[in-house]
Amino acid sequence: KAGVTQTPRYLIKTRGQQVTLSCSPISGHRSVSWYQQTPGQGLQFLFEYFSETQRNKGNFPGRFSGRQFSNSRSEMNVSTLELGDSALYLCASRAGEAYEQYFGPGTRLTVT
Amino acid sequence: AQSVSQHNHHVILSEAASLELGCNYSYGGTVNLFWYVQYPGQHLQLLLKYFSGDPLVKGIKGFEAEFIKSKFSFNLRKPSVQWSDTAEYFCAVTGPNTGNQFYFGTGTSLTVIP
Repeated sequence: KAGVTQTPRYLIKTRGQQVTLSCSPISGHRSVSWYQQTPGQGLQFLFEYFSETQRNKGNFPGRFSGRQFSNSRSEMNVSTLELGDSALYLCASRAGEAYEQYFGPGTRLTVT
Repeated sequence: AQSVSQHNHHVILSEAASLELGCNYSYGGTVNLFWYVQYPGQHLQLLLKYFSGDPLVKGIKGFEAEFIKSKFSFNLRKPSVQWSDTAEYFCAVTGPNTGNQFYFGTGTSLTVIP
């Protein structure tokens, strides 16, 4: 099986712009979660989608949003980018609630 | 909500030394526990997991972890580390009482000196 894939791998944006990141889960996995990883902060949970419904949400401002499509692929959008949004954004998928997560390589977002 | 503590932020060991990384979580009840590893330049991968049964679980590359319910702990151990174990290690907890959301610790950076 192919692993979790994320596109693009690297992105440079300027403050005030918006960005959309994409994630394709492992085939058959219906749950997709998004995390922000920064040095010293570890993995900060953004949200989780299951069968196109947002199931859990972390403590991030409304500028961060996401969605999941019927084929389980997911997108994450960040509007009005700030310098502090520079981070590695990770996507993870799992088959269901009682399963482990599998991570993608991440998208490195740099905001200048 | 659940919280996960990894008290060791940076650990430096010589090759062949024994390793123990601490992980404690705050919310009891039924939990599923995980250790993930992130090697330099690579993405997070599962090291080992606990769902139920024997509280001593063995993972890949000689790692093991022990679930001690009374202490809310799931410490990671390896009897003899290698230079290739240099990586960042993350503990994670999930469970039905917390919406089955994954909660991660802030990670422990391990450097193994040859």
